[in-house]
Amino acid sequence: GAVVSQHPSRVICKSGTSVKIECRSLDFQATTMFWYRQFPKKSLMLMATSNEGSKATYEQGVEKDKFLINHASLTLSTLTVTSAHPEDSSFYICSARALLAGAMDTQYFGPGTRLTVL
Amino acid sequence: GNSVTQMEGPVTLSEEAFLTINCTYTATGYPSLFWYVQYPGEGLQLLLKATKADDKGSNKGFEATYRKETTSFHLEKGSVQVSDSAVYFCALGGNGGYQKVTFGTGTKLQVIP
Repeated sequence: GAVVSQHPSRVICKSGTSVKIECRSLDFQATTMFWYRQFPKKSLMLMATSNEGSKATYEQGVEKDKFLINHASLTLSTLTVTSAHPEDSSFYICSARALLAGAMDTQYFGPGTRLTVL
Repeated sequence: GNSVTQMEGPVTLSEEAFLTINCTYTATGYPSLFWYVQYPGEGLQLLLKATKADDKGSNKGFEATYRKETTSFHLEKGSVQVSDSAVYFCALGGNGGYQKVTFGTGTKLQVIP
């Protein structure tokens, strides 16, 4: 099946520093990847849609200069939280669109990254 | 816009009990409907999916029927196990993997022996 990995799984950083989170599709190519944020006891909120080789499309209310997304290859997208603050602490999840032979066009989700900003 | 409403949890059941988690939606057009499951410490996994009215999605003993007339997609399982303890998310989206998925707030299920 289609596997999506994220690295790191957990990260703790100091306020004001930047953190990069990687999302990789391990056994398929993903032209489209999505970044979500999950608040405690809340649903997933779509932050942005990332297409390989082009600029990400951000959802309303998401600061593109704070959450930098790069989708440089068909298997890797990165989310960089710049100048992190405690309110950025959250669970970040990526998903990747998979077009697999014999399977339906769908999204597969990574395991998530827990970011804690001190 | 699209939205999904699902019952608040947590839901606590004894092993072998019947499970229903209610989900209703608001959407334009004809979305696909999904149930995702998130086990402790893991990412979301697609549990089942239905792409049109009256379709029934099923997997691992779970079922949900796409009811257009009541705009609902309730999740059911006849006999839950401890291993089913997880958070369940109802969601809707387009038929293509490139399209946005709108999630409900999730319902935590705890099954006790």
